[in-house]
Amino acid sequence: EVQLLESGGTLVQPGGSLRLSCSASGFAFSSYALAWVRQAPGKGLDWVSIISGSGGSKYYADSVKGRFTTSRDTSTNTVHLDMSSLTAADTAIYYCARARAISAPFDYWGQGTLVAVSS
Amino acid sequence: QDVLTQPPSTSASLGASVKLTCRLSSGRSAYAVAWYQVQPGKGPRFLMKVNSDGTYTKGDGIPDRFSGSTSGTERYLTISRLQSEDEADYYCQTWGTGILFVFGTGTSLTVL
Repeated sequence: EVQLLESGGTLVQPGGSLRLSCSASGFAFSSYALAWVRQAPGKGLDWVSIISGSGGSKYYADSVKGRFTTSRDTSTNTVHLDMSSLTAADTAIYYCARARAISAPFDYWGQGTLVAVSS
Repeated sequence: QDVLTQPPSTSASLGASVKLTCRLSSGRSAYAVAWYQVQPGKGPRFLMKVNSDGTYTKGDGIPDRFSGSTSGTERYLTISRLQSEDEADYYCQTWGTGILFVFGTGTSLTVL
């Protein structure tokens, strides 16, 4: 069974940093791209980043470019999202999602982890 | 011009059918879209990928009540024999050169 389990969400002050993690199981980890998608309160889905199966290709939404970094660890089957210079606009549920390739739908999603940016 | 356009809401009766629309912007008639269901308190669920030729590929475990179709720049998700559990928000998504990943603004479906 494919499972994606996010963790690391918490309350953080504006300007702060945070690392989110997504633990993957039930599939060949290195064969799939992994994305982060967020949903702010009362808003729609918003793509954040994606990393290829090899880790060699990474893409970011303009809204987070230069502030967020995604990485993957094949030894623990985990993908990370390092976030810095956080603002209230980054407040959202962050979902981890799997894709067969960079240009493919997100076929499995986690339950999400909540990031709240507030003083 | 938004890449994807979805009506904000729609409603249909229990047991009936509903057709949700996702319109691609001009010049993107060859693009595929994916459809996702978001229920309160749950992670999104991949429903299907709808191609420009009208073919579609469903996600694992998606019931036969869900189907996809295409007309020009519009991509559709049809849900037949509506059940109360189908009440949710439905998002379409596309991807391609220069746009990476874009989601529509979502359609909220109410089952009456």
